[in-house]
Amino acid sequence: KAGVTQTPRYLIKTRGQQVTLSCSPISGHRSVSWYQQTPGQGLQFLFEYFSETQRNKGNFPGRFSGRQFSNSRSEMNVSTLELGDSALYLCASSLAAGYSPTIYFGEGSWLTVV
Amino acid sequence: AQRVTQPEKLLSVFKGAPVELKCNYSYSGSPELFWYVQYSRQRLQLLLRHISRESIKGFTADLNKGETSFHLKKPFAQEEDSAMYYCALQHNAGNMLTFGGGTRLMVKP
Repeated sequence: KAGVTQTPRYLIKTRGQQVTLSCSPISGHRSVSWYQQTPGQGLQFLFEYFSETQRNKGNFPGRFSGRQFSNSRSEMNVSTLELGDSALYLCASSLAAGYSPTIYFGEGSWLTVV
Repeated sequence: AQRVTQPEKLLSVFKGAPVELKCNYSYSGSPELFWYVQYSRQRLQLLLRHISRESIKGFTADLNKGETSFHLKKPFAQEEDSAMYYCALQHNAGNMLTFGGGTRLMVKP
């Protein structure tokens, strides 16, 4: 079956703009989470959605937001982009809300802010 | 607060040598610990989890609650093991992972 799919794969934005990234989880997966990966800070958790509800949120400013649709697809939005937002944004999905399900990652969306 | 520490950013060994990638954690609850691997130009993928107590690609990891460690070991490294390895802790509430900084393993021929 298809893995976690993220679009777009690469994008360049200007400071002050906003960006929306999309994620399609593995079929049947209802939990979707987002991570930011940078050389300096490593992999950091942004937020997690389950059944269209945000269940967990990391320590990021309010400029970072997300949502999940009824078909489990998810989007994340970053407003008023800053140079420091340049990163690889990873989406991950898992089957259920239960304890310790396997989490599968997408290939990521590379965002460059200039 | 939860924290995962991987003290080595780079580990370089020769093929056939033993490998140990260190991971230490701090967590107030009962931790669920994982090792993820990222091969060149591939997505991050699960290598193994402590509750399974399994060996994947010759790698094993034992949770030591006394030392709060979850080191990844392999007796004989192979060139194809070269990759980035991340130790991660899963929180009890939801599918939220805290990652260590990662260790790049280079296996030289």
